[in-house]
Amino acid sequence: GQQVMQIPQYQHVQEGEDFTTYCNSSTTLSNIQWYKQRPGGHPVFLIQLVKSGEVKKQKRLTFQFGEAKKNSSLHITATQTTDVGTYFCAGPKAGGSYIPTFGRGTSLIVHP
Amino acid sequence: SAVISQKPSRDICQRGTSLTIQCQVDSQVTMMFWYRQQPGQSLTLIATANQGSEATYESGFVIDKFPISRPNLTFSTLTVSNMSPEDSSIYLCSVDTGSNEAFFGQGTRLTVV
Repeated sequence: GQQVMQIPQYQHVQEGEDFTTYCNSSTTLSNIQWYKQRPGGHPVFLIQLVKSGEVKKQKRLTFQFGEAKKNSSLHITATQTTDVGTYFCAGPKAGGSYIPTFGRGTSLIVHP
Repeated sequence: SAVISQKPSRDICQRGTSLTIQCQVDSQVTMMFWYRQQPGQSLTLIATANQGSEATYESGFVIDKFPISRPNLTFSTLTVSNMSPEDSSIYLCSVDTGSNEAFFGQGTRLTVV
């Protein structure tokens, strides 16, 4: 089925540093979603990107969808301890379904 | 948006027994999904719970092991049958309200001893 590969698996940063996680697919995606899961919590939807080359911002978070719609990134500027958690990208399941298929996630650890 | 109540939040079970996890949504939804998340891992789709028909299972998951009920548009259950320690995991229900945005329950942390 559809697979999205996500790197890195872990990222340690000092508070105030930037952070980026990358998501790649071998096939073109109709859309890509990003979720955040706090430690001990459940995934929470952040955003969906649909258009080629799309860039969306949410405060210190910047989401990009590649021109070929095969890759995406999430960039956090000036991380804070509240950013700690695992960030997942999710592409639609193969076969035209909209059911999200999740990447392995990037766990962000912010050191104060 | 959707508010999902999932229970139990956690349980410790003896091997060979079964546990039924419940998921209640505050609005009617067409599709409900069940995921498994092993510690530190990603979410793996177990099945799609369809109202009025049998659930659709993903590769590697079978109805005998994970029977699912979907009696109406706001409720679903997942049973983990004949449990073994390998079934220890977090189980999450999820819904899509039509916006392609997945909403998740709080999860059930299952430990099989």
